[in-house]
Amino acid sequence: ETGVTQSPTHLIKTRGQQVTLRCSSQSGHNTVSWYQQALGQGPQFIFQYYREEENGRGNFPPRFSGLQFPNYSSELNVNALELDDSALYLCASSARQGVETQYFGPGTRLLVL
Amino acid sequence: RKEVEQDPGPFNVPEGATVAFNCTYSNSASQSFFWYRQDCRKEPKLLMSVYSSGNEDGRFTAQLNRASQYISLLIRDSKLSDSATYLCVVYEGNFNKFYFGSGTKLNVKP
Repeated sequence: ETGVTQSPTHLIKTRGQQVTLRCSSQSGHNTVSWYQQALGQGPQFIFQYYREEENGRGNFPPRFSGLQFPNYSSELNVNALELDDSALYLCASSARQGVETQYFGPGTRLLVL
Repeated sequence: RKEVEQDPGPFNVPEGATVAFNCTYSNSASQSFFWYRQDCRKEPKLLMSVYSSGNEDGRFTAQLNRASQYISLLIRDSKLSDSATYLCVVYEGNFNKFYFGSGTKLNVKP
C-alpha cells in the first residue's frame, strides 16, 4: 500500500453535472498530481499541485480544476461533465515538485451517463 | 503524433522467456524516463527509473537511447507474476509534465 487514499471509489453522474474527487497524499509528501485514465489507455496528466498552487498542467480544458489544502490533500473538480469524462481518475503524491517518484492511489472510477 | 508511443501487445511468452519492450518519445528535450507496471484494475506502480547509462534491477534492465528517442525494458527469466501492463513514462521538465504511453500488455504463460 502506498498510503495514498482516494474517495469515493466509484461514482455515477449524468452529463452536465459537476463532480469533486478527493485525494489524501502519503505522509511527508507535499505534491499531488492528478491523472485521467480511459479504458485501454495510459494515464493522462491533468495537473500537479505543489504547496497549494498549480504547478504544471496537461491538455485539459478549464472545467477541470483543482485545489490543494494546507495538509497537502487535494481535490479534483470537473464541471459540466461530458460522456467522455468517464474514466479512472488517479491521484499520485510525491515528496517534492517536478520529477520525483510518484505513488498512486487506487483511483476513483467515474461513469457519466 | 503522441508524445509517447508503445506497442500495445499483447506479448504472450512462456515462463522463463526473455522479453523486451520499446517505447518512443517525440520531444528530444525530455529529461527523465520511467517504467511503471499496472496490474489489471489496479493503480500504476514504479518499476524503475531509466538512466542514460542504462540500469538493471534484478531481472529487469532499462536502456535509454537519446539519439533515437526510445527507451527499452528487458525482462529476463519471465515469471507468471510479471503478467501486467508496462507503462513508459516521460517527464518534460520545462513544462513540468508527465506523459504516459498507452502501455504494453505482457502475458506470461505456464
